[in-house]
Amino acid sequence: EAQVTQNPRYLITVTGKKLTVTCSQNMNHEYMSWYRQDPGLGLRQIYYSMNVEVTDKGDVPEGYKVSRKEKRNFPLILESPSPNQTSLYFCASSFSGLPTGELFFGEGSRLTVL
Amino acid sequence: SQKIEQNSEALNIQEGKTATLTCNYTNYSPAYLQWYRQDPGRGPVFLLLIRENEKEKRKERLKVTFDTTLKQSLFHITASQPADSATYLCALPRSGGSYIPTFGRGTSLIVHP
Repeated sequence: EAQVTQNPRYLITVTGKKLTVTCSQNMNHEYMSWYRQDPGLGLRQIYYSMNVEVTDKGDVPEGYKVSRKEKRNFPLILESPSPNQTSLYFCASSFSGLPTGELFFGEGSRLTVL
Repeated sequence: SQKIEQNSEALNIQEGKTATLTCNYTNYSPAYLQWYRQDPGRGPVFLLLIRENEKEKRKERLKVTFDTTLKQSLFHITASQPADSATYLCALPRSGGSYIPTFGRGTSLIVHP
């Protein structure tokens, strides 16, 4: 089954404790991206990757890091989480580096930073 | 600046009626426009893509129109059902040669039985 898998789905952590949210896709997609979704603000892009070893900032990259060492994986790293990073996070992927096609989203990771 | 506007107020309709959702944009010349459905706490799911040279596209009970002069897309669900209740998002590629989509904030549709 074609899917984008995120882990963990739910996480409560404390300020400053490094965490990683993993994202994996099994569709051989070149393009992958991370979004955060907050009430009233919609989906905002954090980082994206056009292919292996190619990453770039989205609209709200501050406080986040990403890496793309393998095509299928695109982890999101919060080096020192803060309460304003409490949000619902989505990973997405698409067929090509030029995603005129559909974006496939993961089920989301709800993060709470205390 | 570029903006994508969707009605922030929920649309309430009766089962069986046609739901019409609007997506307006400014400062874009998009090559395509996408519509997604999102259920609470779940990831968005792609529904339809319409290209700039297409005026209308249909998929089962869904119809999307794209008016590049008005800078507007309309999303219709005919014979609506309570199961159609969800938030619907439109997305456009950023300008400047990028194909990376930017999303509107979505409109919530509530279909009453």
